[in-house]
Amino acid sequence: DTAVSQTPKYLVTQMGNDKSIKCEQNLGHDTMYWYKQDSKKFLKIMFSYNNKELIINETVPNRFSPKSPDKAHLNLHINSLELGDSAVYFCASSRKLNTEAFFGQGTRLTVV
Amino acid sequence: TQLLEQSPQFLSIQEGENLTVYCNSSSVFSSLQWYRQEPGEGPVLLVTVVTGGEVKKLKRLTFQFGDARKDSSLHITAAQPGDTGLYLCAVLRGGNTNAGKSTFGDGTTLTVKP
Repeated sequence: DTAVSQTPKYLVTQMGNDKSIKCEQNLGHDTMYWYKQDSKKFLKIMFSYNNKELIINETVPNRFSPKSPDKAHLNLHINSLELGDSAVYFCASSRKLNTEAFFGQGTRLTVV
Repeated sequence: TQLLEQSPQFLSIQEGENLTVYCNSSSVFSSLQWYRQEPGEGPVLLVTVVTGGEVKKLKRLTFQFGDARKDSSLHITAAQPGDTGLYLCAVLRGGNTNAGKSTFGDGTTLTVKP
């Protein structure tokens, strides 16, 4: 059983399109995150949800909108995709806020 | 300015050699995590160190937290090709404005050649 699973693993799309990435965790964790890893492998937090409530919203364009229908799911919707959005996006979860994070396999987004 | 600075950025060694990678900061932390990320995968938690001066061992990997809890090192003995990957240190930042934020270092990319 995969603990944190995200789909799709690869996503290639044209500029201007809208796309979503889904994430589910079966660990019973309270907190979920979205991270972005750039081409230099730097991993930066984007959003954090604790018990379905938005806790952290880093300086991320409004085109990025997370949605948490329940504690086990945190989806990421991106509007009007731009070339600079190309990166690997990781979903993660932790037992509660301020505990270690467990990561999904990542979604490699390529905007052409 | 990066909160966590890792060195070296890249390291390429032969199988069987020993190596040490470092994670440094000017800030004090209550705990620090080390992760390994293999190509095409997400980071996997290796260890959390909590106490200043603490040493933890995980098979051939030895992790140390600095006495002042500002830095950490990871030593690998007799490296194997399976150790190849990106090693990331991370800290959980508390307080009202930073609650829940994991901040990562910029990583050390290790390549172990057979």
